[in-house]
Amino acid sequence: GQNIDQPTEMTATEGAIVQINCTYQTSGFNGLFWYQQHAGEAPTFLSYNVLDGLEEKGRFSSFLSRSKGYSYLLLKELQMKDSASYLCAVTDSNYQLIWGAGTKLIIKP
Amino acid sequence: TAGITQAPTSQILAAGRSMTLRCTQDMRHNAMYWYRQDLGLGLRLIHYSNTAGTTGKGEVPDGYSVSRANTDDFPLTLASAVPSQTSVYFCASSVTANTEAFFGQGTRLTVV
Repeated sequence: GQNIDQPTEMTATEGAIVQINCTYQTSGFNGLFWYQQHAGEAPTFLSYNVLDGLEEKGRFSSFLSRSKGYSYLLLKELQMKDSASYLCAVTDSNYQLIWGAGTKLIIKP
Repeated sequence: TAGITQAPTSQILAAGRSMTLRCTQDMRHNAMYWYRQDLGLGLRLIHYSNTAGTTGKGEVPDGYSVSRANTDDFPLTLASAVPSQTSVYFCASSVTANTEAFFGQGTRLTVV
C-alpha cells in the first residue's frame, strides 16, 4: 500500500528552528509537496521538490532524498503565526496525490 | 480574483437526504479535485477530474458522484447522506495533476 508518515505533533519556541520530517512509500514518485494549514482554514502551498536536494524559500526550506523516501521541511526564525499543521503529499506514478495526516506545530513564546 | 469558491460554507443534513456541494474556479485550471478531511486522517481524495468532460474515482468514492460539464465547475453530490459522511470537504484545482493545488475554503458538513 501507499503510505506517508509524519509526526503527529511538534512543539518549538518562537525564534528557533524546527525540522518536520516526512517519509513515504508510494508506487512511483513524481514530486513531493508541502502545504501549510491553519486551524479551520484551507491548505496553502509551501514548496515542491522533484529532484534531490534543498529548496530554499525565505524562512522555509524543503529537502528531498528520493533514494531514502524522505523529505523534511525546515522552518527558521519561528513566528507565532507559524503555528499550523504542515502536510506532506507525494505524487505517485499515476499522478495521484497521496497525503500524510499532517504535523501540528505548536509555537510557544 | 476569486480563485476557487465553495458553497455552502457549512450545512447540517438529515440522513437519507441528498445534497450537492458546489465548487467553481476562475483560474482556467484543467484539474479539479474533491477531498474530505477528518480529524487525525490526511486529506482523502473522493473524485477528481483531469480535464473538462472527464472524471475519475479517488480513494473514497462510494456514496459520492461528480460531474465536469465545463472547466470552471465541479459539483459533488451525495445521493443519500449517511452519518459517516460528516466531514470537512475541500475542493481544489491545479493547472495539471502535478502542479500546485489551490483549495477552496471548505464545506463543513454534518449528517444527523
